[in-house]
Amino acid sequence: EAEVAQSPRYKITEKSQAVAFWCDPISGHATLYWYRQILGQGPELLVQFQDESVVDDSQLPKDRFSAERLKGVDSTLKIQPAELGDSAMYLCASSFGNQETQYFGPGTRLLVL
Amino acid sequence: DQQVKQNSPSLSVQEGRISILNCDYTNSMFDYFLWYKKYPAEGPTFLISISSIKDKNEDGRFTVFLNKSAKHLSLHIVPSQPGDSAVYFCAASAFAGTYKYIFGTGTRLKVLA
Repeated sequence: EAEVAQSPRYKITEKSQAVAFWCDPISGHATLYWYRQILGQGPELLVQFQDESVVDDSQLPKDRFSAERLKGVDSTLKIQPAELGDSAMYLCASSFGNQETQYFGPGTRLLVL
Repeated sequence: DQQVKQNSPSLSVQEGRISILNCDYTNSMFDYFLWYKKYPAEGPTFLISISSIKDKNEDGRFTVFLNKSAKHLSLHIVPSQPGDSAVYFCAASAFAGTYKYIFGTGTRLKVLA
């Protein structure tokens, strides 16, 4: 069964350092999402791509976060500089076009010290 | 302002009995709803969905009910199994060219053997 791949699974970094997360969506899924999930809360959308274009980044803290999907396939989410409050699970999801169901990857758990 | 609420943070049910997880929403424009199951250190797994044109959808042991007038949906699991122990999230979206989901805070289900 096709799955969304994410790496790394875990990342520990010190504040003010740069971190990057990678996501490879299910093959053929044009829509890709990055979410952040803080412990005890539900996932919150950070950015949505349709192919290589950003559809929605209204919740992305653009002073320190950036995301790209250059070839419309895999994607990278970067934080620079990381802050203590960025400690969370970062989830990637994909869907086939505008279909309703989003499929999530295993996530990257970030700890900022 | 939380548009999607799961007011029960946790629920314990005996194996073989019915589990009922509840979700309330405030935005009457929401027209598609998803339920996800999440194990620790893993990404959410899609369970079942329902469109606002329906009031019930079944898939095996899982049934979702939608009451639009009450802005309430529920997930029924019958019979409950120990492997169902996880955190369950409901998510709601109003289609506006794309699906942008708002997630609830989750309910932790524990099925007792």
